[in-house]
Formats: sequence, structure tokens, C-alpha cells
Amino acid sequence: GAVVSQHPSWVICKSGTSVKIECRSLDFQATTMFWYRQFPKQSLMLMATSNEGSKATYEQGVEKDKFLINHASLTLSTLTVTSAHPEDSSFYICSARVQGPGTQYFGPGTRLTVL
Amino acid sequence: TQLLEQSPQFLSIQEGENLTVYCNSSSVFSSLQWYRQEPGEGPVLLVTVVTGGEVKKLKRLTFQFGDARKDSSLHITAAQPGDTGLYLCAGPPGGGSEKLVFGKGTKLTVNP
Repeated sequence: GAVVSQHPSWVICKSGTSVKIECRSLDFQATTMFWYRQFPKQSLMLMATSNEGSKATYEQGVEKDKFLINHASLTLSTLTVTSAHPEDSSFYICSARVQGPGTQYFGPGTRLTVL
Repeated sequence: TQLLEQSPQFLSIQEGENLTVYCNSSSVFSSLQWYRQEPGEGPVLLVTVVTGGEVKKLKRLTFQFGDARKDSSLHITAAQPGDTGLYLCAGPPGGGSEKLVFGKGTKLTVNP
């Protein structure tokens, strides 16, 4: 099956610093990847759609200058949380779309804690 | 905006019981997917249903897509503690979008 990895699995940082999260498709090429945010006991909230070789498309209310997305290759997308603050603490999950009826495969998630 | 309503939101049952989780919308979806998520992990795809009226079985799990492709259900027979988790339905909102819209999820707890 399609495997998506994320790195790191968890990260703790100080307020004001930037954190980069990587999302990789391990056994397939993904022209489109997605970044989600999930708060405790809630469902997934789509943040942005990452397209290989072009700018990401952000959902309404998501600050593109704060959440920088780069999709430089067919197997790697990165999300950088810039000038992180405690309210950015959350579970960030990426997914990659494979051919077919909209099926997405998800990474294991990254737990970000900003102190 | 196409919305997916899941019910129930929480479900706590004893091992061996059967249960059904529902995913409903007023809009037609080209496909629906069911995922299971455990705490601290990403969602794991269980099934994708595409054809109206389609029924798919995955061991003790039975998935059904409504004839009008507006709703889906997940039925678990003889639930086990290992079935505990957050069950999410999701589907593409249409119009050529590659995104997925998610239901709010059903938190299932199976007690031994």
C-alpha cells in the first residue's frame, strides 16, 4: 500500500522559533499533498494543498506567511511553522493523494509543542 | 460547502456487541472513504466506496454507500477492544477538487 512518512514525530520548541516538518511519500510519487491540523478530540482541519512545483493553496483563515509550504519534489513536501507561538501547538498531519477516486493516504502525524 | 454529518459522536460498547456508524450529507459525493485513527497517529484508510449501493466487507467491518451516494454506513460485528478508535468518513467535495471534507468523527470505545 501507499506509505507516507513524517519527520519529526514530535518536536518541542521555544516561542518565536521556526519548526520544519517533512512529509514524504515512500513508495509512490505524489503531485499533490495536503497538510492538516488536528486539535484534541476533534476532526482534521485542512490547512493547505501542496502542489509539486507550484505555490500551495491555503484554506481560508490559514496564514500563508506563518505556515510556509514547499513541495520541491514528487516525494517531499515541507511545512515550516514560522515564529511559533503556544497557540500553534497541535498535531500536524500530512497526506498524499494517489490516483483514483480522491483517496488520500496519511502520515503518522507530528506533535508540535511550543513553550 | 458540502458537509458530512457523522453519528453518533461517541459510542461506548461491550466486547461482542454490534454497532453501526452513520455518515450523511445532503450533497452527492463521487466517493466516500472511511478512516480509523488511534491517539497520536495519523488516520489509516479502511475503505473507499465509489458506486451507489456498493457494499464492501473488511473482516468484521461492513461498509455501505447509499444508492444516491449521499450517505454511508459502517457496521462492525462482534466488536473487539482492538476496534477502539476514532472513525472518520471523508469525501471529495466535488467540482474537480482534490481536497477531502471530513466528518467530525465517531469515537468508539470497546470495553473488554
